[in-house]
Amino acid sequence: GESVGLHLPTLSVQEGDNSIINCAYSNSASDYFIWYKQESGKGPQFIIDIRSNMDKRQGQRVTVLLNKTVKHLSLQIAATQPGDSAVYFCAENRGSYIPTFGRGTSLIVHP
Amino acid sequence: DAGVIQSPRHEVTEMGQEVTLRCKPISGHNSLFWYRQTMMRGLELLIYFNNNVPIDDSGMPEDRFSAKMPNASFSTLKIQPSEPRDSAVYFCASSLSQGAEEQYFGPGTRLTVT
Repeated sequence: GESVGLHLPTLSVQEGDNSIINCAYSNSASDYFIWYKQESGKGPQFIIDIRSNMDKRQGQRVTVLLNKTVKHLSLQIAATQPGDSAVYFCAENRGSYIPTFGRGTSLIVHP
Repeated sequence: DAGVIQSPRHEVTEMGQEVTLRCKPISGHNSLFWYRQTMMRGLELLIYFNNNVPIDDSGMPEDRFSAKMPNASFSTLKIQPSEPRDSAVYFCASSLSQGAEEQYFGPGTRLTVT
């Protein structure tokens, strides 16, 4: 029979707006988190990381926020550009030294 | 550096055939990872090596899958015999060391088994 594909959460924004992509993690023992960006036809690419002893870290146009109380991670992209259109994954280290990837969020930027 | 190199980029094969995917990690990286990505299951870790030694292969689906890393600059993922449900994009990634480190992904191999 026909299989049903997984529909990724999708965020649509206008060029120039700020984007916020959210991620919930499950293991309170996780101590390291990474955001990856995957463009169509390519492998995931590292964007930014954060350790559990921090609650905020900034990069170029991106900021990651970590709320350990509610086990929530977010990626903020300032002045979103069409080139930011991609699937964004969060990954957490659950203590096994190997990151576990989330399902991903599709970001669509409209010019 | 050329980054992680994977070959072939696309593979179409018939059910029952043997498939071999190849990966060259970034020079100097000690850890290598094989992932499978599908729409249904997302990104799944199949196996990872540290210093050429397989550390965790619990993600390997079944005995039809095998992986080797004969030296620090080469790894293979083999499927024998292949089945249509193996159709996916297979990624190889490497990192400087085992642990919670940034992984560098290759471009992937899109496998289609008919």
